[in-house]
Amino acid sequence: EVQLLDSGGALVQPGGSLRLSCVASGFTFSSYGMNWVRQAPGKGLEWVSGISGGGDNTRYADSVKGRFTISRDNSKNTLYLQMNSLRAEDTAVYYCAKDLFTMWGSPADYWGQGTLVTVSS
Amino acid sequence: DIVMTQSPDSLAVSLGERATINCKSSQSLLYSSNNKNYLAWYQQKPGQPPKLLIYWASTRESGVPDRFSGSGSGTDFTLTISSLQAEDVAVYYCQRYYGFPPFTFGPGTKVDIK
Repeated sequence: EVQLLDSGGALVQPGGSLRLSCVASGFTFSSYGMNWVRQAPGKGLEWVSGISGGGDNTRYADSVKGRFTISRDNSKNTLYLQMNSLRAEDTAVYYCAKDLFTMWGSPADYWGQGTLVTVSS
Repeated sequence: DIVMTQSPDSLAVSLGERATINCKSSQSLLYSSNNKNYLAWYQQKPGQPPKLLIYWASTRESGVPDRFSGSGSGTDFTLTISSLQAEDVAVYYCQRYYGFPPFTFGPGTKVDIK
């Protein structure tokens, strides 16, 4: 059974940093691209970042480019999102999500339960 | 960047009736190399992560009831729930995928029971 356990969300001050993690199980982690998608309170879904199965390709939404870094450790079946220079508008539930196909960039068929990041002083 | 829009913002449908949601892309999502539309539909219920319903614009994900269907090509797409059930109350999102990111979601359409 595929499982994605995302964690690391917290209350952080503006300008601060946070690292989210997502531990995967139930599939060959290194074969699939992974993504982070966020949802601000009461708002819609925003794709934040994606990484290929091997970790050699990454992409970011313009809203986080230069501040967030996606990475993965395939030996630990874990996806990360390092978030720096956090702003109030980064407040959201962050979901990790697995690509449906082994070709990078496919829709997401499994999602974590989400971890809440709150940026506030 | 490709912009995704949806209409309506919300709709209320009687149980057993048809619900239709539209999604429009600012650029064609049809790839001539394989004649596939890179468009997915998701369902999100309150307090839950999204659930993939449809990909390639019209292919149902495994386990999704056949009352859900997707259609359209190029820039205009539709999600249809043929006979609305109580458990279908949710927000529905379209999303473009593949190609060059960002893999933008539409703003969502809320479906309720009339």
